[in-house]
Amino acid sequence: QQQVKQSPQSLIVQKGGISIINCAYENTAFDYFPWYQQFPGKGPALLIAIRPDVSEKKEGRFTISFNKSAKQFSLHIMDSQPGDSATYFCAASPANAGGTSYGKLTFGQGTILTVHP
Amino acid sequence: DTAVSQTPKYLVTQMGNDKSIKCEQNLGHDTMYWYKQDSKKFLKIMFSYNNKELIINETVPNRFSPKSPDKAHLNLHINSLELGDSAVYFCASSQGPGQGAQGNTIYFGEGSWLTVV
Repeated sequence: QQQVKQSPQSLIVQKGGISIINCAYENTAFDYFPWYQQFPGKGPALLIAIRPDVSEKKEGRFTISFNKSAKQFSLHIMDSQPGDSATYFCAASPANAGGTSYGKLTFGQGTILTVHP
Repeated sequence: DTAVSQTPKYLVTQMGNDKSIKCEQNLGHDTMYWYKQDSKKFLKIMFSYNNKELIINETVPNRFSPKSPDKAHLNLHINSLELGDSAVYFCASSQGPGQGAQGNTIYFGEGSWLTVV
């Protein structure tokens, strides 16, 4: 069962454009939603994260928008640069659920972003 | 200095062999993880340990056996390797097991590329 669905699978954007990646989740116990960035040959690295008590979080050119009622969240990359070309993963976890889900990140399928110069 | 280091980076082996991947973190974290990334880049947690104690054990064949000699090390031993085990295995660590709590960002290693032929 895929609990976090991510789209699109791949995205091509021109330099300076806006990249938008969407995720939807099913498990209402999720209350921590990070985005990870992965460059080829490297491990994923945390980019930005949000808790459901806010609807938006911005860090530099990266913004997460969160819609709790729709169980959806998205990553917006403003002024996209060629150096942003990477695979992006959304994820979700129950922050302090305890038990066997404690600390378990469930990832989306990933989006390969290509930013053309 | 690499925060989460794992060896070997590349491993090509024949079906039926037994192999190990070693992981060490120098971040002083209490929790360590093994994640598997398949050929479609899907990331899925396998195990997590907190202070050498197993806290997450996903539905993983018992041919996979993690071992944590101390909280800075988490090794993964795989018996009787199968073609389907070919993947990238990521070791990771965080301060504590609860995702979303302050300082509990997961830091990933660079991965170990396992190819079973």
